[in-house]
Amino acid sequence: EAQVTQNPRYLITVTGKKLTVTCSQNMNHEYMSWYRQDPGLGLRQIYYSMNVEVTDKGDVPEGYKVSRKEKRNFPLILESPSPNQTSLYFCASSFLATNEKLFFGSGTQLSVL
Amino acid sequence: AQSVTQLGSHVSVSEGALVLLRCNYSSSVPPYLFWYVQYPNQGLQLLLKYTSAATLVKGINGFEAEFKKSETSFHLTKPSAHMSDAAEYFCAVSERGDNKLIFGAGTRLAVHP
Repeated sequence: EAQVTQNPRYLITVTGKKLTVTCSQNMNHEYMSWYRQDPGLGLRQIYYSMNVEVTDKGDVPEGYKVSRKEKRNFPLILESPSPNQTSLYFCASSFLATNEKLFFGSGTQLSVL
Repeated sequence: AQSVTQLGSHVSVSEGALVLLRCNYSSSVPPYLFWYVQYPNQGLQLLLKYTSAATLVKGINGFEAEFKKSETSFHLTKPSAHMSDAAEYFCAVSERGDNKLIFGAGTRLAVHP
């Protein structure tokens, strides 16, 4: 089954404790992206990648890091989480072509205390 | 810069009634436009997309949307609401040749018996 898998689904942590949210897709997609969803703001792009070893900032990259060492994986790293990073996070992927449909993971609800 | 405005953060309709969710966009070039749906505790799924082939676009689950360039609008409609349509709906825009999506703030649709 074609899917984007994120882990964990729920995560509660404390300020400053490094964490990683994993994302994996099985559709051989070149393009992968991370979004955060906040009430009243919709989804905002954090980082994206157009292929292995190619990553770039989205609209809200501060406090986040990503890597793309393999085509299928695109982890999101919070080196020193802060309470304002409490949010619902989505990973998405697609083929690298104009107007391609994005496939989304089920989301990771992060709470930073 | 591109932006998307969804009028009404909450819309409530009776089962069997018309569904109308409003979306206006701003873009300096003719855009690609999308509607995504998010059911509770799930990721986003594509409902439909406009690619300039036709101004009236039909999507899944009986939804359709009409692109009106003069009004910079892409409103989503469904003639008869079903209880299973209760979800959050997001309008999104991308510039041609770009995988990045700019999302609106979302509209939560409630359907009452």
